[in-house]
Amino acid sequence: DQQVKQNSPSLSVQEGRISILNCDYTNSMFDYFLWYKKYPAEGPTFLISISSIKDKNEDGRFTVFLNKSAKHLSLHIVPSQPGDSAVYFCAASGRTGANNLFFGTGTRLTVIP
Amino acid sequence: GAGVSQSPSNKVTEKGKDVELRCDPISGHTALYWYRQRLGQGLEFLIYFQGNSAPDKSGLPSDRFSAERTGESVSTLTIQRTQQEDSAVYLCASSLMGSQETQYFGPGTRLLVL
Repeated sequence: DQQVKQNSPSLSVQEGRISILNCDYTNSMFDYFLWYKKYPAEGPTFLISISSIKDKNEDGRFTVFLNKSAKHLSLHIVPSQPGDSAVYFCAASGRTGANNLFFGTGTRLTVIP
Repeated sequence: GAGVSQSPSNKVTEKGKDVELRCDPISGHTALYWYRQRLGQGLEFLIYFQGNSAPDKSGLPSDRFSAERTGESVSTLTIQRTQQEDSAVYLCASSLMGSQETQYFGPGTRLLVL
């Protein structure tokens, strides 16, 4: 059962425009959410996180929004740059009794120069 | 600063053989995780080590999979009698204290079972 879902396998955006990557989750016990970025042949790299006590966290060009009532989070990248082209994974953890992060299946972002 | 390292980076083996994968976590990180990523899928949790506590093995897919960790350092993941469906990227991650913290990943070991 996939508790974290990324329904868009791919996204293409023009350089300079905004990229919006979406993630939905089903487990209401999740209270910590992360975005990871993965380049080919490399491990995932931590990008940004948000705790459930917040609804927004910003770090430079990256902003994560959390809508707890909708069990939805999104990652905004603005302005998008060609170097942002990668696979982005959404992950969640919380008081679930599990020790691991639960990952989505990823969204491949392509930023077109 | 050293991040998480894994070896080998690539491994090709024949069905039925045993393989051993190694992970060196970030120094000082007490928590260590193994995940598996099959082609086109998300990361699948395998096992979690925290300090000297008994490991959480709830994600191991079969008894052919086992892992060990020496204190708070190196971990090895062993797959016995490999099957073709074991082909995947095996990722190791570590975090400072435990499961509610940001995990930092190694580059992975790409395993191909022929």
